[in-house]
Amino acid sequence: GENVEQHPSTLSVQEGDSAVIKCTYSDSASNYFPWYKQELGKGPQLIIDIRSNVGEKKDQRIAVTLNKTAKHFSLHITETQPEDSAVYFCAAADPYSSASKIIFGSGTRLSIRP
Amino acid sequence: EAGVTQFPSHSVIEKGQTVTLRCDPISGHDNLYWYRRVMGKEIKFLLHFVKESKQDESGMPNNRFLAERTGGTYSTLKVQPAELEDSGVYFCASSQGDRDGTEAFFGQGTRLTVV
Repeated sequence: GENVEQHPSTLSVQEGDSAVIKCTYSDSASNYFPWYKQELGKGPQLIIDIRSNVGEKKDQRIAVTLNKTAKHFSLHITETQPEDSAVYFCAAADPYSSASKIIFGSGTRLSIRP
Repeated sequence: EAGVTQFPSHSVIEKGQTVTLRCDPISGHDNLYWYRRVMGKEIKFLLHFVKESKQDESGMPNNRFLAERTGGTYSTLKVQPAELEDSGVYFCASSQGDRDGTEAFFGQGTRLTVV
């Protein structure tokens, strides 16, 4: 079945440094790749997404890259701040399918050291 | 605009008891999803409603789980009888349902503990 693998499971970086989280997916039909941030006691919140017709997308300190050939996509956070500490989930979906469920990775717990 | 809301936020029940979780999606969202996260693992898909119809229930673990969405508005997920391995955080999400309305909005989750 569809599968999304995410690495690393935990990541600790110094405030101000960059953080990178990597994911791979198995379903070739996937063409929508959202990233979610989950803070303590809250549900996952979409922070950025990318579609398969785009290789890179930026939003302030956050960027995502997608390599459809290799089925890899990554999240890059630059100039990390304490409020970036959270669990991050990558995901893949085919919204054009009648069964448009989102398949999630296992999550990365990001800690920002002051 | 109200977001996706879930009730209760926490539930502790004994093995063998019944629990019903509720999800109120964003008004006007046709798609409603149930997901579950067991400790430290991925957020796993359980079920997808389009309006009141079950579009995909391939992720439901077994027949102890029953989801309903009467009238295409709120949804309930009942676990009967609950087992220890049902413990986890249950998330509900909703989305508009058209190709441009792909973003799924999540509720805060219900943390279920079966003891």
